Amino acid sequence: GIQVEQSPPDLILQEGANSTLRCNFSDSVNNLQWFHQNPWGQLINLFYIPSGTKQNGRLSATTVATERYSLLYISSSQTTDSGVYFCAVGTGTASKLTFGTGTRLQVTL
Amino acid sequence: NAGVTQTPKFRVLKTGQSMTLLCAQDMNHEYMYWYRQDPGMGLRLIHYSVGEGTTAKGEVPDGYNVSRLKKQNFLLGLESAAPSQTSVYFCASSYRGILNEQFFGPGTRLTVL
Repeated sequence: GIQVEQSPPDLILQEGANSTLRCNFSDSVNNLQWFHQNPWGQLINLFYIPSGTKQNGRLSATTVATERYSLLYISSSQTTDSGVYFCAVGTGTASKLTFGTGTRLQVTL
Repeated sequence: NAGVTQTPKFRVLKTGQSMTLLCAQDMNHEYMYWYRQDPGMGLRLIHYSVGEGTTAKGEVPDGYNVSRLKKQNFLLGLESAAPSQTSVYFCASSYRGILNEQFFGPGTRLTVL
């Protein structure tokens, strides 16, 4: 099956810093989503981005499907950005998602 | 719209007991999914459905059964619970076709003693 690798696995930032999270995948996909899992376990949809670039406030994402990677940018980080960020890619019938193991982000004051 | 809802939110079972988790969506989505998340890991697909009356196996289907009798509901059953099924279970749904973004429910935390 498809492999999804996320880096870095852990990240500690001071409030106000910027960061880039990376997602590499091993095959063609028909869906790519970024999620934020908050400390209460809730999964929040950040971006649906099988290709191209999108921005939403302080967050933006870029997927280069031909080179099989996606990047999530967080600017001016805040403590509420803490949690785990997952990349998930969809393949085949029903676009079944395969998740990466996540990047755990901690933003400190 | 409530989106995707899951019942119950928490449950504790003893080994060998059975239970059913209910997922409901009000977005008229064709596709529905059940995932499990174990500590420190991403989600893994258990079963999915591409429409009312259909089900299919995902990556980790053993020990689970599913049913989709109505388009808006997707049930996940554990016939004889085992400690290895202690996990957080998430349901998701999406449209069919190009706009296939998946939307997730809040999760059900299940502990099997």
